[in-house]
Amino acid sequence: EVQLVESGGGLIQPGRSLRLSCAVSGFTVSTNYMSWVRQAPGKGLEWVSVIYTDGETDYVDSVKGRFTISRDNSKNTLYLQMNSLRAEDTAVYYCARGRPNYGDFNYWGQGTLVTVSS
Amino acid sequence: ENVLTQSPGTLSLSPGERATLSCRASQSVRSNDLAWYQQKPGQAPRVLMYGTSTRATGIPDRFSGSGSGTDFTLTISRLEPEDFAVYYCQQYGSSPRYTFGQGTKLEIK
Repeated sequence: EVQLVESGGGLIQPGRSLRLSCAVSGFTVSTNYMSWVRQAPGKGLEWVSVIYTDGETDYVDSVKGRFTISRDNSKNTLYLQMNSLRAEDTAVYYCARGRPNYGDFNYWGQGTLVTVSS
Repeated sequence: ENVLTQSPGTLSLSPGERATLSCRASQSVRSNDLAWYQQKPGQAPRVLMYGTSTRATGIPDRFSGSGSGTDFTLTISRLEPEDFAVYYCQQYGSSPRYTFGQGTKLEIK
C-alpha cells in the first residue's frame, strides 16, 4: 500500500526556519519525481518544488533561495527545508508523487499545516 | 508562465444534471501533461483525469476529460451527491514546472 505521511508543520515566527518531512512507503522516493504542493487557507493549490530522479530540483519563484527540497534515500523520505519564512508561506503543505511519463500527481499525503505568525 | 484559467468559478447544479468545467491555458499544453483533481473540505486533492482524458484508478465513468492545445474540459455526465466539491486543472510544462487553475466550486443548487 502506498502511503505518504508529512510531518514537521506548526506555528513559527516570521524569519525563522522549519523542515518538513514526508515519509514514504510503497514506492521508492529516489526513482520518482517528488513534489511539494501547498494550499493557503481558503485558497487554491500552488506547486512549490520538485526533485527529479537525477537529483535536479526546481522551485516556484516565490520560494527560490529560501526553500530547499531534498531526499534521504536510506529513509525513503522527502524533505522541504524552509528558511526566512513569511506570513504568505502559511499553508497546508502536501507531498506528492509525479506519475511516470505524465504530468500529474497520482499520490498525495494528508498534508501538514505551517502557520507563520508572530 | 503557463496560466490556467478555469470557468466558471462556481457552478450550481442539481444531482442528476450534467456538469461541464472549462480550463483554458495561456500557452499550449501537451495532452500527456493536463490533469484534473477533485478536492473535498479537509482532504487532499484526488486525481480524476490524467493525460487529458484517462480516468485514474477507481474513478467512475461518469467523469470524462477532453481537449487539446489550450482548451480542456471536464464533464460529469450525471451528478451524484458525492461529486459536489472543488475541481482543479493542472499542467506540467516550463517554469514554473507545474501550475494549477484557480478552481471551480461545484455546489448543490
